[in-house]
Amino acid sequence: DAKTTQPPSMDCAEGRAANLPCNHSTISGNEYVYWYRQIHSQGPQYIIHGLKNNETNEMASLIITEDRKSSTLILPHATLRDTAVYYCIVRVAGVDPGGTSYGKLTFGQGTILTVHP
Amino acid sequence: GAGVSQSPSNKVTEKGKDVELRCDPISGHTALYWYRQSLGQGLEFLIYFQGNSAPDKSGLPSDRFSAERTGGSVSTLTIQRTQQEDSAVYLCASSFRRGTQYFGPGTRLLVL
Repeated sequence: DAKTTQPPSMDCAEGRAANLPCNHSTISGNEYVYWYRQIHSQGPQYIIHGLKNNETNEMASLIITEDRKSSTLILPHATLRDTAVYYCIVRVAGVDPGGTSYGKLTFGQGTILTVHP
Repeated sequence: GAGVSQSPSNKVTEKGKDVELRCDPISGHTALYWYRQSLGQGLEFLIYFQGNSAPDKSGLPSDRFSAERTGGSVSTLTIQRTQQEDSAVYLCASSFRRGTQYFGPGTRLLVL
């Protein structure tokens, strides 16, 4: 799976949009971009994923550049409860060349997002 | 519906003892994963079960670690002769085939 690069930390004011960038310049055509977050002492929480098109759900929006080498996770109205470590992960879809379906997630260090009042 | 559940939530054990950690995946999910997160470290993959296929054990750190999945549902991660470096949060995730993985709350293991 391709490696991702994220800033180690970001701050955001409560009520404002939080824009978290992720670089994945070596992404392959069959790799999805996934975002998870981990609030202190909890298991990772799935946020959103996409392949080529921008995606939106009740939690966030995912903007993927046309060349797919970078993406941005947008939390439109950040709250104090959004303070967490955010992980950007690229992951192969489908079956690997060995013929077995394989889907482990490779987590990097992520971005520590701090939302302040 | 119910999410992934793990038990116990916390486990304190003495060095050299064996421990068993349990994971109940989301009903209907065919794939189950174990990860470990040590203090200040990222999450690392341990083992992966998919349907009736042989599990991928490539992430297990030593032969003291083993896991099984009975009836394609519940999984148990066993650590034999625990060491202090085994202290970590052990996380379980499940997915339908190779879809989105959903994580449980984790088991916090402390080896004294």
